[in-house]
Amino acid sequence: QPVLTQSSSASASLGSSVKLTCTLSSGHGGYTIAWHQQQPGKAPRYLMKLERSGSYNKGSGVPDRFSGSSSGADRYLTISNLQFEDEADYYCETWDSNTRVFGGGTKLTVL
Amino acid sequence: EVQLVESGGGLVRSGGSLRLSCAASGFIFSSHNMNWVRQAPGKGLEWVASISSSSSYIFYADSVRGRFTISRDNAKNSLFLQMSSLRADDTAVYYCARDMAQLLIDYWGQGTLVTVSS
Repeated sequence: QPVLTQSSSASASLGSSVKLTCTLSSGHGGYTIAWHQQQPGKAPRYLMKLERSGSYNKGSGVPDRFSGSSSGADRYLTISNLQFEDEADYYCETWDSNTRVFGGGTKLTVL
Repeated sequence: EVQLVESGGGLVRSGGSLRLSCAASGFIFSSHNMNWVRQAPGKGLEWVASISSSSSYIFYADSVRGRFTISRDNAKNSLFLQMSSLRADDTAVYYCARDMAQLLIDYWGQGTLVTVSS
């Protein structure tokens, strides 16, 4: 099954942009993933589905500041005009061979 | 509005059993695959089990296979997780989650905490 690799942490300043990466393991570079946000003390929230082509579909109520893109086996989540409420853990997810897989998560700090 | 509300969590001794429930509303429950995902304190998300819309297909993570049983009642819009032979490392918040069409999660419940004491 695929392995999803994420950096453990990232930081960016209020009002700036940040690009988070989720890398699919060898042989699984074509997979569609989902991005989820988990604010401190809260349940995860679905952000978007992101395909190999870079096409993405966001969940209900997800701000326009959130966008997705792809390059090879990398799946990106870009957050523009960072707000303090964007400080959260971000997880990528996929499904293969009857198994659901999550990345280890990236903890985003807004400075 | 899609709502998933978990219940049944609590404190249980190692080796004991517990049954979690998830009440679904705001969508056609019988049309969606459903999942349980857990999160140990301070850790990331871990998939536990999935069940197809008609219960025809059921899958488990290796860590729970043989000890946990996922089931659903489409007439009552409910999802269940029967947990037995519980261990300390099963301590986690357990989330009920809905699949969208491409087998990825698009809605999460608020979670229920299971604490296994040794």
